Amino acid sequence: DTAVSQTPKYLVTQMGNDKSIKCEQNLGHDTMYWYKQDSKKFLKIMFSYNNKELIINETVPNRFSPKSPDKAHLNLHINSLELGDSAVYFCASSRITGAGNTIYFGEGSWLTVV
Amino acid sequence: ELKVEQNPLFLSMQEGKNYTIYCNYSTTSDRLYWYRQDPGKSLESLFVLLSNGAVKQEGRLMASLDTKARLSTLHITAAVHDLSATYFCAVDPTGTASKLTFGTGTRLQVTL
Repeated sequence: DTAVSQTPKYLVTQMGNDKSIKCEQNLGHDTMYWYKQDSKKFLKIMFSYNNKELIINETVPNRFSPKSPDKAHLNLHINSLELGDSAVYFCASSRITGAGNTIYFGEGSWLTVV
Repeated sequence: ELKVEQNPLFLSMQEGKNYTIYCNYSTTSDRLYWYRQDPGKSLESLFVLLSNGAVKQEGRLMASLDTKARLSTLHITAAVHDLSATYFCAVDPTGTASKLTFGTGTRLQVTL
């Protein structure tokens, strides 16, 4: 079983559309994240949720709205997609307590806005 | 703002050679992570370094952390083609793994 799974893996859509990416983890972790990797491979955190509550929002445009229905799921909804939103979006999870917590990443969702 | 810089950004090396990737960061942090990413794939955790002087080894890779110098190294011994990938370091300033700041990545190409 995949520990952190995201769907869809590939998404091509037109500018102005609204799309969602879903993420689920079966590791029993209490913290989930969305990271964005741009075309230059630069990785940056977007959001972090702990037990369904938002704890980090890194100055992401409000067109991006994460939703966590329970601590095993963190979905990302994007409104009015722009060309610059094209990137790979990685979901991840970890335990927030304890030392040296490894963050486990999903397989990524390749978003292309045309 | 925390900055994490890696060098080199690109490294082409022959099989059997040794090399070191450097990761410098700009603010105090006791925790540092190394990840590997194959083309078109996810990030795989390699090492978690938790304190000053920490050293971890797995196969041909060895990572170390000097928190006073704000420097981590990833040393590759006798490189093999299978090590070709992009390597990222990531710093955890919160100490809770709730927010990693990633380095720029080092793309390693091991040639036969």
